[in-house]
Amino acid sequence: AQSVTQLDSHVSVSEGTPVLLRCNYSSSYSPSLFWYVQHPNKGLQLLLKYTSAATLVKGINGFEAEFKKSETSFHLTKPSAHMSDAAEYFCVVSDPGGYNKLIFGAGTRLAVHP
Amino acid sequence: GAGVSQSPSNKVTEKGKDVELRCDPISGHTALYWYRQSLGQGLEFLIYFQGNSAPDKSGLPSDRFSAERTGGSVSTLTIQRTQQEDSAVYLCASSLRPGQVGATNEKLFFGSGTQLSVL
Repeated sequence: AQSVTQLDSHVSVSEGTPVLLRCNYSSSYSPSLFWYVQHPNKGLQLLLKYTSAATLVKGINGFEAEFKKSETSFHLTKPSAHMSDAAEYFCVVSDPGGYNKLIFGAGTRLAVHP
Repeated sequence: GAGVSQSPSNKVTEKGKDVELRCDPISGHTALYWYRQSLGQGLEFLIYFQGNSAPDKSGLPSDRFSAERTGGSVSTLTIQRTQQEDSAVYLCASSLRPGQVGATNEKLFFGSGTQLSVL
């Protein structure tokens, strides 16, 4: 069975410092992995996705994530946080055995301080 | 419309009443999902419709929950005899047919959700 674990429920950084949001997955198949962001009072937005091409995936707003099969990880990073990055971030795995049903992690709340 | 439409945006109901939540996906999207997000929780999968295949109902928390998708388009999530623990934001999403691992059309488009409050 597929599962996703986001290791931190809350992350707090200062503006201009790096961001690291951690995600580990469990999959019996070669997974497709995604990061979604949810800003307050807004719908979910796709940040980036990994689908067995390059292991380093670049997304919108300067975010990127690296797929590491040996570590079963797909951590989300950004070199320099901006105030507008404050939001809830979800790591997601696609379950190919389940008609590509998406399984969401519990989410990480990112706070950015001036 | 251009996006996934959900109605109502807010619903307040009394414990024990039935509610219906509606989702109108993007035209041409064959996959439709219902998720819910309770306060302080992550997204919880409820049900998944994919074309004419039998829906994946494995996430429905109890037999009070049911969903239909008529004509491969609009979907209705029904909660019977609502309980206070049903209070959550119910999100609908649609996508093109995912089909295969690695398909490029797995992007999900989410509606803005229905905030359900059971008093």
